[in-house]
Amino acid sequence: SAVISQKPSRDICQRGTSLTIQCQVDSQVTMMFWYRQQPGQSLTLIATANQGSEATYESGFVIDKFPISRPNLTFSTLTVSNMSPEDSSIYLCSVVPSGPHTDTQYFGPGTRLTVL
Amino acid sequence: QKEVEQNSGPLSVPEGAIASLNCTYSDRGSQSFFWYRQYSGKSPELIMSIYSNGDKEDGRFTAQLNKASQYVSLLIRDSQPSDSATYLCAVNLSSASKIIFGSGTRLSIRP
Repeated sequence: SAVISQKPSRDICQRGTSLTIQCQVDSQVTMMFWYRQQPGQSLTLIATANQGSEATYESGFVIDKFPISRPNLTFSTLTVSNMSPEDSSIYLCSVVPSGPHTDTQYFGPGTRLTVL
Repeated sequence: QKEVEQNSGPLSVPEGAIASLNCTYSDRGSQSFFWYRQYSGKSPELIMSIYSNGDKEDGRFTAQLNKASQYVSLLIRDSQPSDSATYLCAVNLSSASKIIFGSGTRLSIRP
């Protein structure tokens, strides 16, 4: 499986500000996703990061709030914009490595965000 | 009906016993099924994937799939305290290139 890193690992931010989270993979991957996991909850898919084009957002998530970039096959960023305390969560990127199983996802270590 | 359903637990199992975790799903066209383990404060870790009906064994873990009943389970033999975690069932959506996660079952292995 791919080695996935995320930066920052955690941050405490003031409401109204924005934070950009980076996801770096050590090999080219076919797909990258961004998830949110709120305290005590399961994973919620925010969007699929598409290489070279606009991300595909899930219902309830919009580009203005969660802009995503994926300039190449190993890197993506998620920005949480105009943050409020409700955005406090763990943000996770996941990847689908190249290989026979085109839907097996592996997760990065996550970014723990606290908004005051 | 939720797309992927799991009993939230907590499920308490004595050390050395078999832990049985269950999951049902609604999409009859699903072809790929996954079990992830998540320790508190950590990200999910893939422990098993299964694609065909029947059993798939990997060490102390056995995944079981029954597509007719839309049911997938995970058995953990000789449970250890280190198996205490939340176990997430995930199923691919036949209509889209993504997987859906259940809410997770919290497993506690008591010494």
